[in-house]
Amino acid sequence: QVQLVESGGGVVQPGGSLRLSCAASGFIFSNYGMHWVRQAPGKGLERVAFIRYDGSIKYYADSVKGRFTISRDNSKNTLYLQMNSLRTEDTALYYCAKAYQAYRTDYWGQGTLVTVSS
Amino acid sequence: NFMLTQPHSVSESPGKTVTISCTRSSGSIASNYVQWYQQRPGSSPTTVIYEDNQRPSGVPDRFSGSIDSSSNSASLTISGLQTEDEADYYCQSYDSSNHWVFGGGTKLTVL
Repeated sequence: QVQLVESGGGVVQPGGSLRLSCAASGFIFSNYGMHWVRQAPGKGLERVAFIRYDGSIKYYADSVKGRFTISRDNSKNTLYLQMNSLRTEDTALYYCAKAYQAYRTDYWGQGTLVTVSS
Repeated sequence: NFMLTQPHSVSESPGKTVTISCTRSSGSIASNYVQWYQQRPGSSPTTVIYEDNQRPSGVPDRFSGSIDSSSNSASLTISGLQTEDEADYYCQSYDSSNHWVFGGGTKLTVL
């Protein structure tokens, strides 16, 4: 069965950096695009980044463009999100999600919590 | 870019039918597929409707989706409400640049 396990969250000061990872199993990772979606505490959902199955196309939300970088290592079945210049408003639970198409997902991980605070 | 507006909350009794709306602010609702996600408390979202009206395997046929061009909105209808349906529901669509838009979410209470 499909499993997506995020890691790398934690507490970081404003202006700091974190790298999130998402270990995928149960499907052919190199065949599917992947999303990162976040949810601030008590708030709604926001898709922050998408990467095509081969890494050739990437999309970012305006709120993170220029600060976050999505990448993948198909040999390790792992998705990444490098987050730089973090702001308090980046505090959220970050989910990785398997793309069935670029416009939707079919599986989500359990999320990893990122807290940006001084 | 456009926005998707959902009611903040709805409530209904077990066994009844409830409809949650999702209104697109600009551009046609029919231009891009709409998905609906269910998020139970403390859990990750799951898809209940994709491509306007398609149900993933495993989702009961009590869940249905539709779009209405006259009101420029999408709707999620849940019939035969069960207590397990109590959750937050989010609609989601996208634009030609693959920029995603989520509705603000609707809290469904099954009284």
